[in-house]
Amino acid sequence: GDSVTQMEGPVTLSEEAFLTINCTYTATGYPSLFWYVQYPGEGLQLLLKATKADDKGSNKGFEATYRKETTSFHLEKGSVQVSDSAVYFCALSGTGGYQKVTFGTGTKLQVIP
Amino acid sequence: DTAVSQTPKYLVTQMGNDKSIKCEQNLGHDTMYWYKQDSKKFLKIMFSYNNKELIINETVPNRFSPKSPDKAHLNLHINSLELGDSAVYFCASSQNSRGLDGYTFGSGTRLTVV
Repeated sequence: GDSVTQMEGPVTLSEEAFLTINCTYTATGYPSLFWYVQYPGEGLQLLLKATKADDKGSNKGFEATYRKETTSFHLEKGSVQVSDSAVYFCALSGTGGYQKVTFGTGTKLQVIP
Repeated sequence: DTAVSQTPKYLVTQMGNDKSIKCEQNLGHDTMYWYKQDSKKFLKIMFSYNNKELIINETVPNRFSPKSPDKAHLNLHINSLELGDSAVYFCASSQNSRGLDGYTFGSGTRLTVV
């Protein structure tokens, strides 16, 4: 079945550092890929998405590129802020009829001033 | 206007009780979901309804019973609550059952069973 593997956290960075959170997936066909963010005490919010190979999703300074050859969708940001502290979830939606979104285990990011 | 709203936000109850969580979405989406998030933030899908029809029913104890009176509402009833049911329960919705535009989540219901 479909699966998503994320790097384990927590990831602790200083403000303005470069962020990479790794995500790889296993799926048949051509899934759609997502990053969600969960701030403390809140539900998940869609951060960005990519629906086909080589697509780049971007939002709020975050980017991720759908790499089919490496089955990866790594999240990057050039300069993190304290307000980016949250849990980040990589996810995929498979192909075919009724599909559930499969979430990774989440990576906690802590940005310190 | 909150897009996906869940009530209550917090629920503390004793073992053996029966409780319900309600969810409503005003986005006009066709598909709604219940997810359970444990203390390690792991998200597990429980149920999904598409236009009031149950389409995903994961391995969940039959003490959990979803009900969708219309496509804007999805409620979750839990019988004979157990300590292991303590978690945060999230409702979510999507445009359709493919979920390609992403999910919109509610803010969660933190259930504590004592």
